[in-house]
Amino acid sequence: DGGITQSPKYLFRKEGQNVTLSCEQNLNHDAMYWYRQDPGQGLRLIYYSQIVNDFQKGDIAEGYSVSREKKESFPLTVTSAQKNPTAFYLCASSARGLLGYTFGSGTRLTVV
Amino acid sequence: GQQVMQIPQYQHVQEGEDFTTYCNSSTTLSNIQWYKQRPGGHPVFLIQLVKSGEVKKQKRLTFQFGEAKKNSSLHITATQTTDVGTYFCAGPVNAGNMLTFGGGTRLMVKP
Repeated sequence: DGGITQSPKYLFRKEGQNVTLSCEQNLNHDAMYWYRQDPGQGLRLIYYSQIVNDFQKGDIAEGYSVSREKKESFPLTVTSAQKNPTAFYLCASSARGLLGYTFGSGTRLTVV
Repeated sequence: GQQVMQIPQYQHVQEGEDFTTYCNSSTTLSNIQWYKQRPGGHPVFLIQLVKSGEVKKQKRLTFQFGEAKKNSSLHITATQTTDVGTYFCAGPVNAGNMLTFGGGTRLMVKP
């Protein structure tokens, strides 16, 4: 079945360490997105990519980095520069002109 | 500031009661989308509205897009415990297809 796979589901990181969250999709979608969700809050856009080898900053890109070397993959790196990285991270994808985003099941990152 | 606002933030209802969440945008939207996120889960796309004044139904859920295409509502008739979750509206506020999400309305249903 087609879908988006995020891994790992839970991630613990020590302060000062970079960590990379994986996002892979087999839906043949052109666009991919990373959102951050804090407890009881909405979704805030971190980065997005509409085509391979191109990506743009969202509303809260500071302390994060991404790459889009393949259509299927859009990994997110949470760097040590991110002041408050503990959150639920959601990856999504969408097809050009089609309805709605498809979300992955998310990664819960905790800084210890 | 936040460009897509949702109210209420929380709603407790008794099973069988109706529920409505409202969504307002600071700008005219080309479309509005609704998502449901179950507790501990991820958002799932429910529906998209495109036309001014559009009304769509999915069983007990009724979605409406305002005439000015700046507001929307989701109404659930006779809530059930399976309706529990957070309902988000989202629209392409800025240029491009990127969605800006509202803060969500968390629905809790007492059996």
